[in-house]
Amino acid sequence: AQSVTQPDIHITVSEGASLELRCNYSYGATPYLFWYVQSPGQGLQLLLKYFSGDTLVQGIKGFEAEFKRSQSSFNLRKPSVHWSDAAEYFCAVAFIYNQGGKLIFGQGTELSVKP
Amino acid sequence: EAGVAQSPRYKIIEKRQSVAFWCNPISGHATLYWYQQILGQGPKLLIQFQNNGVVDDSQLPKDRFSAERLKGVDSTLKIQPAKLEDSAVYLCASSFDYEQYFGPGTRLTVT
Repeated sequence: AQSVTQPDIHITVSEGASLELRCNYSYGATPYLFWYVQSPGQGLQLLLKYFSGDTLVQGIKGFEAEFKRSQSSFNLRKPSVHWSDAAEYFCAVAFIYNQGGKLIFGQGTELSVKP
Repeated sequence: EAGVAQSPRYKIIEKRQSVAFWCNPISGHATLYWYQQILGQGPKLLIQFQNNGVVDDSQLPKDRFSAERLKGVDSTLKIQPAKLEDSAVYLCASSFDYEQYFGPGTRLTVT
C-alpha cells in the first residue's frame, strides 16, 4: 500500500542555519512527489514537485528537494532558514489514476525557528 | 487568478447537529477534492470529483457524510449528524492535471 513517512514530528533550527526535513515513501511505481507548507489557519501551499527528470528539484522560497529512488526518499532542504519559514511541512505522494491523482500525505513536520 | 474559495472559515456545532461546507474551485479545474485534516495529522482524502461525477469516495463515512458537485463547479460537503471525532479542518482542493491547489479550509469544532 502507498504510504508516506515523515520521521520528525517537530524540528527546531536557528535562523540562518540549514534545514533538512526527511520524507520516505512506499509506492510500487515511479512516484509523483510533492512538498507542501501550511501556515497556521491557512491552506496548503505547494513548495515543489517531482514528476521525472532531474532528481534535484528547485522550489519556491529557496527550498529544494532531492529524489533518491534507492532510498525511497524525497528530503526537503534549505541552506539558510528565515523566521518566516516556521510552519508545518507535509510530504505527499500522488497515486495516479484517471485524470488527476489521489494525494497521500505524511503526518507532517512542524518547524520552529529560533532567533 | 482567483484561488480555491471555501466557506465558512470556522464553524462550531454540537454533536448530532448537521453542518455544510461550500467550495468554489479554480475556474477550469475539472477535478475537485475534499480532505479531512485532524489536528496533528496530514490531510486524508474523503472524496474526489471529476466534473460532477464521483471518482473516489472510498474513505467517505457514507452513513453521515455526503457531498455533491452540481454542474461540475461548486461543491458542498455535509455532515449529518456530527460526532465529536469529526472535529477537524476540511480542505477543498482543485486540479487541472496532477497539481492540486488548496483552499484555506473550514475549521469545524464539534462540542
